[in-house]
Amino acid sequence: QKEVEQNSGPLSVPEGAIASLNCTYSDRGSQSFFWYRQYSGKSPELIMSIYSNGDKEDGRFTAQLNKASQYVSLLIRDSQPSDSATYLCAVYTGGFKTIFGAGTRLFVKA
Amino acid sequence: KAGVTQTPRYLIKTRGQQVTLSCSPISGHRSVSWYQQTPGQGLQFLFEYFSETQRNKGNFPGRFSGRQFSNSRSEMNVSTLELGDSALYLCASSLGFNSPLHFGNGTRLTVT
Repeated sequence: QKEVEQNSGPLSVPEGAIASLNCTYSDRGSQSFFWYRQYSGKSPELIMSIYSNGDKEDGRFTAQLNKASQYVSLLIRDSQPSDSATYLCAVYTGGFKTIFGAGTRLFVKA
Repeated sequence: KAGVTQTPRYLIKTRGQQVTLSCSPISGHRSVSWYQQTPGQGLQFLFEYFSETQRNKGNFPGRFSGRQFSNSRSEMNVSTLELGDSALYLCASSLGFNSPLHFGNGTRLTVT
């Protein structure tokens, strides 16, 4: 079982819709959770950090964490074509190591 | 504040050669992590350094090594290059424990 799992996609949504990206992790002791966006040919950039159960909102982005279910998600409201990228879920499991999922490719159709 | 700086951006090497990649972290960040990114394997953890000490190492052969200097700058070295080492090598810095990683632009290594 992979430590951090994401649906590879591609996930295709129309412009203005809500994009929902999901991630599960295997280590119950995981402490911190991050979402990164990576455009083709670029390096990952941090979108959101979340550390406790519940929702955290930042602009059009909402991260949701459920530690009991070992599940973290990212919602993108009012999706724009510029949101088309690969979204990486990352989990700090302790031991000075952050583990990344394989990423979900998102396409927002104009 | 300047971001994470990686040099060089691109490298082309021949099998059997060795290569050294450099990373300068964000000012004040003492933790530096290295990752290998390939289309098939995604982002794979190589190692993490903090205050010149390697605190964790990923599942890579001993040909992959690194170090960190007193100013937090870090280098990674790959010896006896193989074709499969062709990848994007990403350096990321952070404030340390539990903090998010901030990535540099990466070094794209091609081994021929």
